[in-house]
Amino acid sequence: KQEVTQIPAALSVPEGENLVLNCSFTDSAIYNLQWFRQDPGKGLTSLLLIQSSQREQTSGRLNASLDKSSGRSTLYIAASQPGDSATYLCAVTRNNDMRFGAGTRLTVKP
Amino acid sequence: DAGVTQSPTHLIKTRGQQVTLRCSPKSGHDTVSWYQQALGQGPQFIFQYYEEEERQRGNFPDRFSGHQFPNYSSELNVNALLLGDSALYLCASSSTGTAWSNQPQHFGDGTRLSIL
Repeated sequence: KQEVTQIPAALSVPEGENLVLNCSFTDSAIYNLQWFRQDPGKGLTSLLLIQSSQREQTSGRLNASLDKSSGRSTLYIAASQPGDSATYLCAVTRNNDMRFGAGTRLTVKP
Repeated sequence: DAGVTQSPTHLIKTRGQQVTLRCSPKSGHDTVSWYQQALGQGPQFIFQYYEEEERQRGNFPDRFSGHQFPNYSSELNVNALLLGDSALYLCASSSTGTAWSNQPQHFGDGTRLSIL
C-alpha cells in the first residue's frame, strides 16, 4: 500500500528566504507526482506535475524534483513571499489511484 | 471559462441523516473524482466517475455512493451520516484517458460538511 509522508508538518520562514519542502513515498511504481497548494477552506491548486520519466519541473519561483528510486520529491521555493503562505501537498498517482500526503503548512512572515 | 464548481459550500447535518453534494466539472472535462479531506489531513480518494459509471473506488463503505449525469456533472450521496463523516468534500475533474498519467486534476473549492 502506497504511503506518502511530508516533512516538516509546519514551517515558518522570514520573507525572502529560499526553502525546501519534502515528500517521500513507499512505492516507486508511480505514473506521476503532483504538488498542490491549498489555501484555508479552499480547494487544491495544481502547482507542478512531474511524470515518472521526468526528473524535475519548474514554474516561476517553484522547482520540483523527483527521484523515483529513492521515493522522494522536493519542492523548492525561491525568494519566498507572504503570499506563498498556504498548505502544500504532494500526491502520487498509480493505476487510477491518487494518494496524498498530509501536507506542509507554510507561513512566510513579512 | 468556469472551473470546477461545487454546491453547497457549507452544510450542517445530524447523525443518521442523508446528504447529497453536487459538482460541475471544468468545461471540456468528462471525468469526475470525489475526495474526503479531514481536518489536518490530505484528501482521500472516494471514487471516480466516467461515462456515467463508477470506474474506480477507494476504501469507503457503501454508505458513500455517487452518480454522473450525461452532462458530466456528478453527485455524491452519503447515507446514515456519522460524526466521522465531518470533512471537506472535494471534487476534481479531468479528461478521458490521460486523467491520471499526464494531466493535472482540477479541483473545486469543496463542500464543508459538519455532522452534529
